[in-house]
Amino acid sequence: EAQVTQNPRYLITVTGKKLTVTCSQNMNHEYMSWYRQDPGLGLRQIYYSMNVEVTDKGDVPEGYKVSRKEKRNFPLILESPSPNQTSLYFCASRRSGTGPYEQYFGPGTRLTVT
Amino acid sequence: GDSVTQMEGPVTLSEEAFLTINCTYTATGYPSLFWYVQYPGEGLQLLLKATKADDKGSNKGFEATYRKETTSFHLEKGSVQVSDSAVYFCALHAGGTSYGKLTFGQGTILTVHP
Repeated sequence: EAQVTQNPRYLITVTGKKLTVTCSQNMNHEYMSWYRQDPGLGLRQIYYSMNVEVTDKGDVPEGYKVSRKEKRNFPLILESPSPNQTSLYFCASRRSGTGPYEQYFGPGTRLTVT
Repeated sequence: GDSVTQMEGPVTLSEEAFLTINCTYTATGYPSLFWYVQYPGEGLQLLLKATKADDKGSNKGFEATYRKETTSFHLEKGSVQVSDSAVYFCALHAGGTSYGKLTFGQGTILTVHP
């Protein structure tokens, strides 16, 4: 089954404690990205990756890091989380190219930073 | 920059009622337009899309027509079911240098009562 998986699904942490949210896809997609979803704002792109070792900032990258060492995995790293990073996070993947291809989303990770 | 505006929610309907969720966009060039649906506790799924002016996307009884003259992509369904209760997101894909990025509206919560 084609899918994007994320772990953990729920996470409560404290300010400043480093965390990583994992994302993995089994569709051999080159393009992967991270979005955060906040009430009234929809989804906003944090970072994206066009292929292994190729990453770039999206619209709201501050406070986040990513890496792409393998094609299937694209972890999101919060080195020093703050309460304004409390949000619902989605990983997504799609095939390469500039066309209007469908994006496949993971189930989401709900993060609370106290 | 590109932007998408959806009608304010939440929307509450009775089963078999007619549904319209308004979506307008601002973009340079000729974007592709999408509707994604998010069921409770799940990630986003593609509902339908249209890639050029006057195209009609349709799926599961939902329809939306790409109207360039009014920069709109309103979602409609003739007879909603309880199972349609979800959050609906309008999104655009500008292509080109924005590559795979989707620009989302704020989302509209739909609740359908029996």
